[in-house]
Amino acid sequence: AQKVTQAQTEISVVEKEDVTLDCVYETRDTTYYLFWYKQPPSGELVFLIRRNSFDEQNEISGRYSWNFQKSTSSFNFTITASQVVDSAVYFCALTLGGTSYGKLTFGQGTILTVHP
Amino acid sequence: NAGVTQTPKFRVLKTGQSMTLLCAQDMNHEYMYWYRQDPGMGLRLIHYSVGEGTTAKGEVPDGYNVSRLKKQNFLLGLESAAPSQTSVYFCASSFSRDSSYNEQFFGPGTRLTVL
Repeated sequence: AQKVTQAQTEISVVEKEDVTLDCVYETRDTTYYLFWYKQPPSGELVFLIRRNSFDEQNEISGRYSWNFQKSTSSFNFTITASQVVDSAVYFCALTLGGTSYGKLTFGQGTILTVHP
Repeated sequence: NAGVTQTPKFRVLKTGQSMTLLCAQDMNHEYMYWYRQDPGMGLRLIHYSVGEGTTAKGEVPDGYNVSRLKKQNFLLGLESAAPSQTSVYFCASSFSRDSSYNEQFFGPGTRLTVL
């Protein structure tokens, strides 16, 4: 069975600091997909990024960047120059390829608080 | 488009009572899911459906039943609520094509308290 671990339960930073959220996954499948979702205080989950297991390219989107390393089974998320609006719970999730029907296995979530 | 909507937003039940949570999506998605979110545990899959008239168990199905009579609706039922079912419930949907690759769209959640 697959597993996703987000060891950082809570992170607190001051605005403009860089912060990295860690995600480590376990699966025996060779085809899988990794996701990051954001849950702001309003409660809904917002999709941020997906990565498939064959694409180890890092990605940057504005202040957000993602580092996918199969060698360490990690898919870490970095926010550069954090802002108060980045305060949220962030979830890393994994789904398998084939006939998994997109079922997601979530990590425990990391609560990020950005102080002004 | 309303996206994914959930009814109700909040509910308080007494132990042993029953209720149904309704999820509706207007994106013509084939796949729909019910998750529960508990502190320190992330989201866990309760049941899912890959099309109208089909349902399947997820990771934590005990105490819940579901039905998908119409493509746009996915109902989650609690026949006899227990305090352990106090949680926030999220519905999600996604396209079926390349299902593993597609992101899921989530509803706003239902906060359920069982006393």
